[in-house]
Amino acid sequence: GAGVSQSPSNKVTEKGKDVELRCDPISGHTALYWYRQSLGQGLEFLIYFQGNSAPDKSGLPSDRFSAERTGGSVSTLTIQRTQQEDSAVYLCASSRDRYEQYFGPGTRLTVT
Amino acid sequence: GNSVTQMEGPVTLSEEAFLTINCTYTATGYPSLFWYVQYPGEGLQLLLKATKADDKGSNKGFEATYRKETTSFHLEKGSVQVSDSAVYFCALSDPASGGSYIPTFGRGTSLIVHP
Repeated sequence: GAGVSQSPSNKVTEKGKDVELRCDPISGHTALYWYRQSLGQGLEFLIYFQGNSAPDKSGLPSDRFSAERTGGSVSTLTIQRTQQEDSAVYLCASSRDRYEQYFGPGTRLTVT
Repeated sequence: GNSVTQMEGPVTLSEEAFLTINCTYTATGYPSLFWYVQYPGEGLQLLLKATKADDKGSNKGFEATYRKETTSFHLEKGSVQVSDSAVYFCALSDPASGGSYIPTFGRGTSLIVHP
């Protein structure tokens, strides 16, 4: 079946611009996670959605970062006024049973 | 809080060598433990998991045993192949952590296998 998809796969933007990253989770998965992976680093948790509950935003690094999940499915991560330190791979994952996660291929963001 | 510690990489091996990647954890409850693998240019894929003490997870020749007494979940493979070259992440999920289902990941260990 279809896995988690993310778009775009690559995004190059100028410093100060806003970007939107999209994630389509596996159908029926109620949990959705966003992570950031910087070069040579592990996974940095950003935000977690579970069903219709309020999202856990505890990992967002600044108020320039926000995310929404519409209709319990597609999610968009928005970064406003991008900075060079925002350059990273942004990974989305979904989960049905709150344990095992299924990851998308990621969006590589480069801020110039 | 919860934490996962993995051995530093990169781990460089010749084909058919034995692999061990160490992983230890701290958790407040009774976590489930996972190994994920990330091939170049791809997202993470679940490799194997174990949900309770003494369980052994296995997949594609890889194994890991949940050792509660040593709080460890070391990844092993008897004979690695060039195609196993990837980054391996140890992770735990511990719902006892205030009801949160946000997994905790290690920093990843890069494995390079030479022909």
